[in-house]
Amino acid sequence: DIVMTQSPDSLAVSLGERATINCKSSQSILYSSNKKNHLAWYQQKAGQPPKLLIYWASTRESGVPDRFSGSGSGTDFTLTISSLQAEDVAVYYCQQYYNTPHTFGQGTKLEIK
Amino acid sequence: QVQLVQSGAEVKKPGASVKVSCKASGYTFSTYGIHWVRQAPGQRLEWMGWINTGDNNREYSQKFRDRVTFNMDTSASTAYMALSSLRSEDSAVYYCARDLLNGIHDAFDIWGHGTEVTVSS
Repeated sequence: DIVMTQSPDSLAVSLGERATINCKSSQSILYSSNKKNHLAWYQQKAGQPPKLLIYWASTRESGVPDRFSGSGSGTDFTLTISSLQAEDVAVYYCQQYYNTPHTFGQGTKLEIK
Repeated sequence: QVQLVQSGAEVKKPGASVKVSCKASGYTFSTYGIHWVRQAPGQRLEWMGWINTGDNNREYSQKFRDRVTFNMDTSASTAYMALSSLRSEDSAVYYCARDLLNGIHDAFDIWGHGTEVTVSS
């Protein structure tokens, strides 16, 4: 199975500041045939299901604010929130869908400083 | 609007089975596959498998293959997940989720609200 490891486990950022979450896969999740990284980012608020933010490592899902962006390729990926808002408090997960079983990172808890 | 509505919370005894339903609305059910994911307290999300709602093909995670069954009723736009031989470690919130682009190797764009399953004697 592909192991997804996020860092840090928790993060406290001031309102309006940048938040950066990292995700590393145990093997490359860049699919050679379509040149796409099979990596998604989800936001999960307390008591709610996960919400898709980013797929193909950098494609923002419809309706997601443009302060959320994804980058990276191969085995190393980053989710960036350019200017933290109060409503961004949540746990963030990365997921690889390159291989089955699909696997998720352990989550990064984002709080307001 | 596009949504997945799951059945209500369940309490089961060890060794019993549970069946969770996931009713789709707002789109053509057979166009997008359904994944099942669970989240135990304090644990990461865990993928259980996928059903292709177009041809009824299924893929199960090796971890659950001996105990889980996916079914569907296209006329009711509903997918089902049954898990047998329950143990305390199966206590979790179970989610269904739709694949984004109609394939197993897709992100999940629509999630159900979750069904809490508690296994306790």
